[in-house]
Amino acid sequence: KAGVTQTPRYLIKTRGQQVTLSCSPISGHRSVSWYQQTPGQGLQFLFEYFSETQRNKGNFPGRFSGRQFSNSRSEMNVSTLELGDSALYLCASSLNGQGEEEKLFFGSGTQLSVL
Amino acid sequence: AQKITQTQPGMFVQEKEAVTLDCTYDTSDPSYGLFWYKQPSSGEMIFLIYQGSYDQQNATEGRYSLNFQKARKSANLVISASQLGDSAMYFCAMREGQENTDKLIFGTGTRLQVFP
Repeated sequence: KAGVTQTPRYLIKTRGQQVTLSCSPISGHRSVSWYQQTPGQGLQFLFEYFSETQRNKGNFPGRFSGRQFSNSRSEMNVSTLELGDSALYLCASSLNGQGEEEKLFFGSGTQLSVL
Repeated sequence: AQKITQTQPGMFVQEKEAVTLDCTYDTSDPSYGLFWYKQPSSGEMIFLIYQGSYDQQNATEGRYSLNFQKARKSANLVISASQLGDSAMYFCAMREGQENTDKLIFGTGTRLQVFP
């Protein structure tokens, strides 16, 4: 069974641009969540999607958005990039995201550099 | 507010020895799950082990075991027979169980270095 797949692996953008990152969950998983990892702030929850609906959102500005498709694949978008958006963006999936016992599996991440 | 604390920024261990990575948590939710992930330099977060708040026994997965002390709110990861490939960052994380959510709260991580 394939794991969580994130594309692209690396991305370089300039300030003011926008970027779209893609995540394909493990087959059969319906819940997808996104995390940002930076040296200063560590791992922070961005948002999660289940059945094409955003179910929970972290404390990030509106420039960060996402969506989920009917096949559970998800994209996240960052508009008007800032230098501080440089980070490793990790996507995770679980079966249904219900209850504390569900395991969460992560992809390899997309390393975004904003110049 | 829920919180995860990992007090060891870095740990060293000799190959074939056991090592314990500390994790304490704080939550008012009676139902929660605790996770450990390994992050090598490649960046991928690799799931290692899970412990539910109602589990009576400590979780084990191969060379990984979780020393769960509920009253002390600690969930330490024990790696037995360390290998060079165990060198990585290790993160402890918690998910509260009352909501339908995949939101995890992560600790700051411990960098483990295994030497020959």
